[in-house]
Amino acid sequence: SQQGEEDPQALSIQEGENATMNCSYKTSINNLQWYRQNSGRGLVHLILIRSNEREKHSGRLRVTLDTSKKSSSLLITASRAADTASYFCATDPRSYNTDKLIFGTGTRLQVFP
Amino acid sequence: DVKVTQSSRYLVKRTGEKVFLECVQDMDHENMFWYRQDPGLGLRLIYFSYDVKMKEKGDIPEGYSVSREKKERFSLILESASTNQTSMYLCASRKGSTDTQYFGPGTRLTVL
Repeated sequence: SQQGEEDPQALSIQEGENATMNCSYKTSINNLQWYRQNSGRGLVHLILIRSNEREKHSGRLRVTLDTSKKSSSLLITASRAADTASYFCATDPRSYNTDKLIFGTGTRLQVFP
Repeated sequence: DVKVTQSSRYLVKRTGEKVFLECVQDMDHENMFWYRQDPGLGLRLIYFSYDVKMKEKGDIPEGYSVSREKKERFSLILESASTNQTSMYLCASRKGSTDTQYFGPGTRLTVL
């Protein structure tokens, strides 16, 4: 199975609500990154959190990392219709001796106006 | 800002054709990657390169080859396209292991 697995697979909310997506992984990591993908487009980098960090903020985004539970969460506050997209986590495993990221299958977020 | 460009947004080819997908990055990144993305399967790594003329197989290299003659350019080659290679292809680049990975806009390839 994927190193990173997002939960839920799909999420539908109203504008103004908060959206929380979770990512679990299996092995020790150097860092974890979150990406957004609008339909039919490339991935856009959102946040990178290193293994020695517990929380990171960027605008309306908040990412937490719990290395003891091997999990991360992405919180989007006060969501907007423009946040509608798929969100992926990607891990940089320590066990690999190359620079490969491992991507999950993503959470599809739908924000209704 | 880092820019990763791909030669085509949409491409339609026939079975058996040789297909070239080009990717160029402008930030002097050592590492470059080719992924394919299919519904329900997420992103799967095809090949990557950590230096000029160096290449490593990813998780699904069968039916593909790559070329990296210059640092900024990484090409994905389908020697003889097949219908099961219809997919979205994404190129990415990255400086080092602790850095952000940047993606191109993707090429949607259809093989008829």
